Amino acid sequence: GAGVSQSPSNKVTEKGKDVELRCDPISGHTALYWYRQSLGQGLEFLIYFQGNSAPDKSGLPSDRFSAERTGGSVSTLTIQRTQQEDSAVYLCASSLRQSEKLFFGSGTQLSVL
Amino acid sequence: AQSVTQPDIHITVSEGASLELRCNYSYGATPYLFWYVQSPGQGLQLLLKYFSGDTLVQGIKGFEAEFKRSQSSFNLRKPSVHWSDAAEYFCAVGASTSGTYKYIFGTGTRLKVLA
Repeated sequence: GAGVSQSPSNKVTEKGKDVELRCDPISGHTALYWYRQSLGQGLEFLIYFQGNSAPDKSGLPSDRFSAERTGGSVSTLTIQRTQQEDSAVYLCASSLRQSEKLFFGSGTQLSVL
Repeated sequence: AQSVTQPDIHITVSEGASLELRCNYSYGATPYLFWYVQSPGQGLQLLLKYFSGDTLVQGIKGFEAEFKRSQSSFNLRKPSVHWSDAAEYFCAVGASTSGTYKYIFGTGTRLKVLA
């Protein structure tokens, strides 16, 4: 595709349920990033992939959060046993190589009731 | 640890007035610096970036930023603001640590433009 695609654009879930958020990066981009954007909190780094490996998982808030990337392309961010504090916009970005500019998706607005 | 500070959460300017958004960073080496803009209902878009060389960099939409190593700053400027510039602006530093690379963002500055 022409840009970074994220799905779903909106997700409403009940506390305690699991959710999966998907990111399709720009074709050929080797670096992929997940960020979380909460009101007044800026962009919080979650995880970074170079190819299929995740050399930096330091930003994942808890062990309820996990992510994978397959085929050097699509990535899935999974949140298990969602909590209300997980409500935020989850942004995915990709770049051709590390240190290059990021291309962002439109994000997934997650609401945990 | 690397960090980015945007001291102004909200800024309001009149259309046609000049604008300066402040950004300070903390990073041990020569940083890669970026400004992104997030317009209402849209994704983040790169305005400009600094890697090396000329410390005054030009970006899209008439924006420019100046890297000042002595002040650890990378302030964004525009001589004359347009109503369409109302958005949230994020400063970011690209940091390489232990073989990995991450972008650290500030908390953003929300710009309001008065007609």
